[in-house]
Amino acid sequence: DAKTTQPPSMDCAEGRAANLPCNHSTISGNEYVYWYRQIHSQGPQYIIHGLKNNETNEMASLIITEDRKSSTLILPHATLRDTAVYYCIVRVGGNKLVFGAGTILRVKS
Amino acid sequence: ETGVTQSPTHLIKTRGQQVTLRCSSQSGHNTVSWYQQALGQGPQFIFQYYREEENGRGNFPPRFSGLQFPNYSSELNVNALELDDSALYLCASSYPLSTDTQYFGPGTRLTVL
Repeated sequence: DAKTTQPPSMDCAEGRAANLPCNHSTISGNEYVYWYRQIHSQGPQYIIHGLKNNETNEMASLIITEDRKSSTLILPHATLRDTAVYYCIVRVGGNKLVFGAGTILRVKS
Repeated sequence: ETGVTQSPTHLIKTRGQQVTLRCSSQSGHNTVSWYQQALGQGPQFIFQYYREEENGRGNFPPRFSGLQFPNYSSELNVNALELDDSALYLCASSYPLSTDTQYFGPGTRLTVL
């Protein structure tokens, strides 16, 4: 599975959009981009995933560049409860999840 | 639809003992993966079970073993506990389609003294 690079931490004002970048320059054609988040001492929570096209669900939007070498997770209206570690993972379906260090997102009032 | 559940929530053991952790998969899911998360680190893959057979293993010694039952629930067994085994143990269930998404349980916090 390809490796990902994420900033170690980011701050976001409550009510504003949080844009979390992820670099995955070695991604293969059959690898999906997955995003999970983990609130302190809880199990990781699935957010969204995509292959080529941009995706949106009730939690977030995922924007994948045309060359698929990077992506951005967008939380449209961040709240204090969105404070968590966000993990960007690329994988072929069925394989294990390989977690990096992730991005600590702090939402501030 | 019932989510992934794990038991117990917390556990304290002493070095050298054995421990069994349990996981019930989400309804309709027949694959279970186990992860270990040490403090301050991301989860690390231990192994995966599919249809009661081990289906991939991470870099963990043989004293980490597992089982999956016909109802797809699973157990993680750790023998000869070491202090470094203190961690949050996470179970995730999925259904093996091309984009199978793994859904995690709340975890079991194991402390080895």
